[in-house]
Amino acid sequence: GESVGLHLPTLSVQEGDNSIINCAYSNSASDYFIWYKQESGKGPQFIIDIRSNMDKRQGQRVTVLLNKTVKHLSLQIAATQPGDSAVYFCAEKNSGGSNYKLTFGKGTLLTVNP
Amino acid sequence: NAGVTQTPKFRILKIGQSMTLQCTQDMNHNYMYWYRQDPGMGLKLIYYSVGAGITDKGEVPNGYNVSRSTTEDFPLRLELAAPSQTSVYFCASSPFAGVGDEQYFGPGTRLTVT
Repeated sequence: GESVGLHLPTLSVQEGDNSIINCAYSNSASDYFIWYKQESGKGPQFIIDIRSNMDKRQGQRVTVLLNKTVKHLSLQIAATQPGDSAVYFCAEKNSGGSNYKLTFGKGTLLTVNP
Repeated sequence: NAGVTQTPKFRILKIGQSMTLQCTQDMNHNYMYWYRQDPGMGLKLIYYSVGAGITDKGEVPNGYNVSRSTTEDFPLRLELAAPSQTSVYFCASSPFAGVGDEQYFGPGTRLTVT
């Protein structure tokens, strides 16, 4: 089975609110995590990544939190906008193993209501 | 740079037909990947390549073949198409496969086998 999964398959928020998308992983050897955004009809687009030696990383309006103790990853989007509506995937990699391989979760559909 | 380009965008095949999905990247990336994405699911790795002349199987290689004669091109061949191969196919590339080397995705090819 997949080692990366998501707690919520769908999330609906109001424009301007903050969004939190969660992800659980089971491979404790994973040392690199990425969040991708996939808009309808397009390929996944990199948002932000985090290495396992960090517990927080911030980008523009996005923050990724990593809790290795409970193997949990989250993506926080501040002041969510209609353009943020998409499917969000987390992915993990074990760079010490088959380091080509990213394992993707199933995705969370984020809908932003105006 | 155009990034990763894929052709065709859409294709309908009859059972038993064959076709080649084209993928080209202009970023001089060593690594290239083929994924399939079934409805409501994450991406699953079909094949990958670490450089020209070198390819290897991913999670779901059955029914597919690849070749990598140049750095830029990584075509995916479907022989004897089956309904189970109805999916959206994404090609991706990365400079290397270590921590921090994000994968860049193409726009996808939507394939229907009937």
